[in-house]
Parts: sequence; structure tokens; C-alpha cells
Amino acid sequence: EVQLVESGGGLVQPGRSLRLSCAASGFTFDDYAMHWVRQAPGKGLEWVSGISWNSGSIVYADSVKGRFTISRDNAKNSLYLQMNSLRAEDMALYYCAKDSDSYGYGWHDYWGQGTLVTVSS
Amino acid sequence: QSALTQPASVSGSPGQSITLSCTGTSSDVGSYNLVSWYQQHPGKAPKLMIYEGSKRPSGVSNRFSGSKSGNTASLTISGLQAEDEADYYCCSYAGSSTYVFGTGTKVTVL
Repeated sequence: EVQLVESGGGLVQPGRSLRLSCAASGFTFDDYAMHWVRQAPGKGLEWVSGISWNSGSIVYADSVKGRFTISRDNAKNSLYLQMNSLRAEDMALYYCAKDSDSYGYGWHDYWGQGTLVTVSS
Repeated sequence: QSALTQPASVSGSPGQSITLSCTGTSSDVGSYNLVSWYQQHPGKAPKLMIYEGSKRPSGVSNRFSGSKSGNTASLTISGLQAEDEADYYCCSYAGSSTYVFGTGTKVTVL
């Protein structure tokens, strides 16, 4: 059974940093691209970032480019999102999602339950 | 990276069929056969319902079907049931390993 478990969310002040983690199990992690998708309270889904199976391709939404860094550790079956210079508009539930493809040319076939990031002074 | 356009809400009576639209551009929906649809119940994670525009994952009811014409994709739910009441999001591959989601449609079963 595929499982994605996010952690690392919490309350953070504007301008500060936070690192999210996603622990994956139930599939061969290093065969697939992975993504972060967020959902602000009461709002829709927003794709944030994606990383290919071997970290050779990394992409970001314009809204987070230059502030967020996605990474993965295939030996630990883990995905990460380093979030710097956080803003109020970054406040959201952050989901880890598995891609159906190795390079991020597919769809999001499995999702975690999300970890909540609250940005407030 | 503008969000795909979906109607804010669609409603129908039990047993009826409803169709949700998802309008993008020639840079996303119109260029790739990689539109997917997700169902999200309140407080739950999204669930994949349709991929590659019209394919259903194992376990998804055949009451759900998808199609695409030009820059617009559609999700049809036939034989509407109370359990179908949820938010639905479309998503399209947008090139260079990026994706764009739709604005979301709230489906209400009357």
C-alpha cells in the first residue's frame, strides 16, 4: 500500500524558514518523480514544486521560485521542501504527491494527508 | 501559470448526470493529453479519479468519465449519488515538468 506521510508543518513568523518532510513507503521511491502541492484555507489546489526520480529535473511555481527548495533522499525514501522567506500567502496545507512518471510527465496518483503551515506574527 | 478555469459549483439530483468543465489554454490542456481529475471530500486529501483525460484508475467507479476537446476538458458523473458530493479539481501538465490545477468545482447533490 502506498503511503505518504508529511511532517514539519507548524506556526512560523513571516520571513522565517521551515522544512517539510515526506516519508514514502509501499512503492519503489526512486522510480518516480515527486511533487509538493498546497491548499490555502478554503481555497483550491496549487502545484508548488516537482523533482524527478534522480533530482536531475527540479521545477517550481513562479510564486515560490527563489524562496523554496525541493530535494529528495532516495536512500531514505524521503522528499523535502525547504521554505525560506515565508509570507502570509504561503500559509496552507502542504501535500506530498507521487507522480506516475519518473520525470514528472504524468499525473499525481497518490497523495499524503498534508502538513499545515501557518505564517503569522 | 494561470489556474485552469472551472465553474464554482454544479448541482444535480440523485441519478442525474452532470458535466464539469475545465478550460485552459493551448499551452496546457490543448497541448498535452495529460489532464487529470481529483475528488476531494472535506478534510480529506485529493483522490485521483481520471488520468490522461479519460482513463480511470483501478477502483474508481465507471460512473466517472472524462473527455477533452481543444483547450477544454470535461468530467461527467453519471447516476449521481450522495457520496459524489465533493470538490473536484482538474489538473493539466503544462510543459517542462510543471503542472497547473483548476480553480475547483463544488458538486452538490440535491
